[in-house]
Amino acid sequence: DIQMTQSPSSLSASVGDRVTITCQASQDISNYLNWYQQKPGKAPKLLIYDASNLETGVPSRFSGSGSGTDFTFTISSLQPEDIATYYCQQYDNLPPAITFGQGTRLEIK
Amino acid sequence: QVQLVQSGAEVKKPGSSVKVSCKASGGTFSSYAISWVRQAPGQGLEWMGGIIPIFGTANYAQKFQGRVTITADESTSTAYMELSSLRSEDTAVYYCARGPVRRDSSGYYFTRFDYWGQGTLVTVSS
Repeated sequence: DIQMTQSPSSLSASVGDRVTITCQASQDISNYLNWYQQKPGKAPKLLIYDASNLETGVPSRFSGSGSGTDFTFTISSLQPEDIATYYCQQYDNLPPAITFGQGTRLEIK
Repeated sequence: QVQLVQSGAEVKKPGSSVKVSCKASGGTFSSYAISWVRQAPGQGLEWMGGIIPIFGTANYAQKFQGRVTITADESTSTAYMELSSLRSEDTAVYYCARGPVRRDSSGYYFTRFDYWGQGTLVTVSS
């Protein structure tokens, strides 16, 4: 099974800061990597799919990059409404399976 | 507009089973994948398995093999997740989620989750 290592587990930043979260796969997953935002008591929300594609309706301050085993998620200018937990998620097909990273809890400093 | 509406909260005894439903509206039910993802209190997201209704067969995470059954009824656009031999560690919010299917020469993939149900809290307690 492919393992995903997400870091950091928690992060404190100020409004306007650039925030970066990383995810590392235990083997090459091409660009099969998605990013989600989850607010307390709510279902996750898809932000970025296939490593770098912005989901429709998601603000452009969110972006993703990477391929192979190393991936990065960036918020270019942190807003108060971005306080949430963020998860990476990979997919593969031998057999078809999904794995999530452990999550990054983002707080306002 | 796609909506996934799940059944209500459940309280179960250890050793029993629970069956959660997920009714889809809007969009095409059969050609998308429906997965089940759970989240224990204060913990992260965990994929349990999924089904592509048009194919009819389900795939399960190794951790849940033998204990979970995922089915889909195309006539009612409803997916189901049944978890058996419940224990306290199964207390969690269970989500259904829909996403596109990718196919290539090596097979098919559950890819991403663009629509989610509201979640169903299952509490396992004696």
